[in-house]
Amino acid sequence: EAQVTQNPRYLITVTGKKLTVTCSQNMNHEYMSWYRQDPGLGLRQIYYSMNVEVTDKGDVPEGYKVSRKEKRNFPLILESPSPNQTSLYFCASSGRAPTQYFGPGTRLTVL
Amino acid sequence: LAKTTQPISMDSYEGQEVNITCSHNNIATNDYITWYQQFPSQGPRFIIQGYKTKVTNEVASLFIPADRKSSTLSLPRVSLSDTAVYYCLVAEGSYQLTFGKGTKLSVIP
Repeated sequence: EAQVTQNPRYLITVTGKKLTVTCSQNMNHEYMSWYRQDPGLGLRQIYYSMNVEVTDKGDVPEGYKVSRKEKRNFPLILESPSPNQTSLYFCASSGRAPTQYFGPGTRLTVL
Repeated sequence: LAKTTQPISMDSYEGQEVNITCSHNNIATNDYITWYQQFPSQGPRFIIQGYKTKVTNEVASLFIPADRKSSTLSLPRVSLSDTAVYYCLVAEGSYQLTFGKGTKLSVIP
């Protein structure tokens, strides 16, 4: 089954403790992206990647890092999480933008 | 990137046809119009995409006038399960997509 998977689905952590949210797709898509969704603000793009080793900033990249060492994986790294990064995170992939396939989401709470 | 404007919310009774209009006055020649559907706590799901005139699939229809400055998503005979947020996007295929706040559709029994 074609899908985008994210792990973990739920995470509660404390300020400053580094964390990684994994994202994997099995559709051989070149393009992958991370979004965050907050009440009243809609979906905002954090980072995107057009191919292996090619990444670029979206609208809200501050406080996040990404890497794209393999085509199928696009992890989101929070080196020092802060409470304002509490949000619902979505990973997406596409073989032909702007038709994107989204993962199930990761709900992150930073205390 | 072309900016889009949609109604914040809409209500409809079950079984009715729902039309959600999106305004995109500064759409560029190479831009496509795409609609997504999102249920609470789930990722958005692609519904339909078009460039001009009319596009129809098993879920919805998309009407685009000749000037392409607006588009209308039409959902035939909605049911309670169509209650969701609907996003209109305009993009050439750029990787920096802007989703906006969407239209919250509430279907009433």
